[in-house]
Amino acid sequence: RKEVEQDPGPFNVPEGATVAFNCTYSNSASQSFFWYRQDCRKEPKLLMSVYSSGNEDGRFTAQLNRASQYISLLIRDSKLSDSATYLCVVNPIGQNFVFGPGTRLSVLP
Amino acid sequence: DAGVTQSPTHLIKTRGQQVTLRCSPKSGHDTVSWYQQALGQGPQFIFQYYEEEERQRGNFPDRFSGHQFPNYSSELNVNALLLGDSALYLCASSFSGEGYNEQFFGPGTRLTVL
Repeated sequence: RKEVEQDPGPFNVPEGATVAFNCTYSNSASQSFFWYRQDCRKEPKLLMSVYSSGNEDGRFTAQLNRASQYISLLIRDSKLSDSATYLCVVNPIGQNFVFGPGTRLSVLP
Repeated sequence: DAGVTQSPTHLIKTRGQQVTLRCSPKSGHDTVSWYQQALGQGPQFIFQYYEEEERQRGNFPDRFSGHQFPNYSSELNVNALLLGDSALYLCASSFSGEGYNEQFFGPGTRLTVL
């Protein structure tokens, strides 16, 4: 089993739709969690950190369920500019960042 | 405030050659991590440098080595290049202080091995 797994995608959604990405991780000793977005042929950019209580930043909401070792990202009112690959990142204690394979999102006009 | 910078942007090498990639961290950051990203995959951790020493290492062979300089900049060296080393090489910087482990990425160096 891979350390970090994500929905295989791609997700093709119309503008204005709500889309949810799921991520599971295998190392229960993980302490930090992030979502990054990566545009085609560009570097990953930090979208948001994921806190135990869940957190929201505008149209984006991240949730963490430590018991199920599950992380989610919800995007409301999708924009064309949200089209990108979304990378789930887990930081186990004593290790560096472990990236998931990413889920590609295309928001269609 | 300059972000993370990397050079060169693109590089073409042949099998067996050696390559050196360079990274300057974001201002105020003291830790540099290197990643390899193959097409269609997430970045894979190579190693991390802090205080001029390799602090953590991923599952990469000894052909991959690095260095960190007193100004926190870093180099990634790859010897005896293989076709499979073709990838985007990403450098990420962070600050070592407690609670500050978010990493910020440079634009990457795209390496092609022929």
